[in-house]
Amino acid sequence: AQSVTQLDSHVSVSEGTPVLLRCNYSSSYSPSLFWYVQHPNKGLQLLLKYTSAATLVKGINGFEAEFKKSETSFHLTKPSAHMSDAAEYFCVVTDPSGGYNKLIFGAGTRLAVHP
Amino acid sequence: EAGVTQFPSHSVIEKGQTVTLRCDPISGHDNLYWYRRVMGKEIKFLLHFVKESKQDESGMPNNRFLAERTGGTYSTLKVQPAELEDSGVYFCASSSSKLSTGELFFGEGSRLTVL
Repeated sequence: AQSVTQLDSHVSVSEGTPVLLRCNYSSSYSPSLFWYVQHPNKGLQLLLKYTSAATLVKGINGFEAEFKKSETSFHLTKPSAHMSDAAEYFCVVTDPSGGYNKLIFGAGTRLAVHP
Repeated sequence: EAGVTQFPSHSVIEKGQTVTLRCDPISGHDNLYWYRRVMGKEIKFLLHFVKESKQDESGMPNNRFLAERTGGTYSTLKVQPAELEDSGVYFCASSSSKLSTGELFFGEGSRLTVL
């Protein structure tokens, strides 16, 4: 069965410092992995996706994630945090048993950015 | 272009009452999904429509939940009678059949509080 584990429920960084949000996955298939973000009072938005092409995936707003099969990880990073990055981030894997748009979410990581 | 819209944004009802949530997908999107986030838990899949047909309803918790998508446009999710454990945020998402897998467009969610 597919699953994702987000290792931190809350992450706090200072503006201008790097961001690291950790995600490990479990999959019996070659997975499709995603990061979604939810800003306050907004809908979830796709940040980036990995679908077995390049292992380093670039997304919107300067975020990127690296697929590491040996570590079953798909951590999200950004070199320099901005105040507007404060949001909740979800690591997601697709459930192929239900079609590739049936998403399995991690528990979410709340990112706080301090001045 | 309008995004996915959901109504109401917040509903407070008493146990045993009925609530109907509405979702208007992005125009032209054949796929429509309902997801739910119960307090403190992961976002979970409820069901998937392709046009007016239920493609997958394996995530519906019980027969108190009824989803419809008459005419293949907007969808409603009715909870009758509501129980305390139904409290949470109900997300609707839509996608085009032509888009890559996993790219769903989410609404802002309908927060349901059952007292």
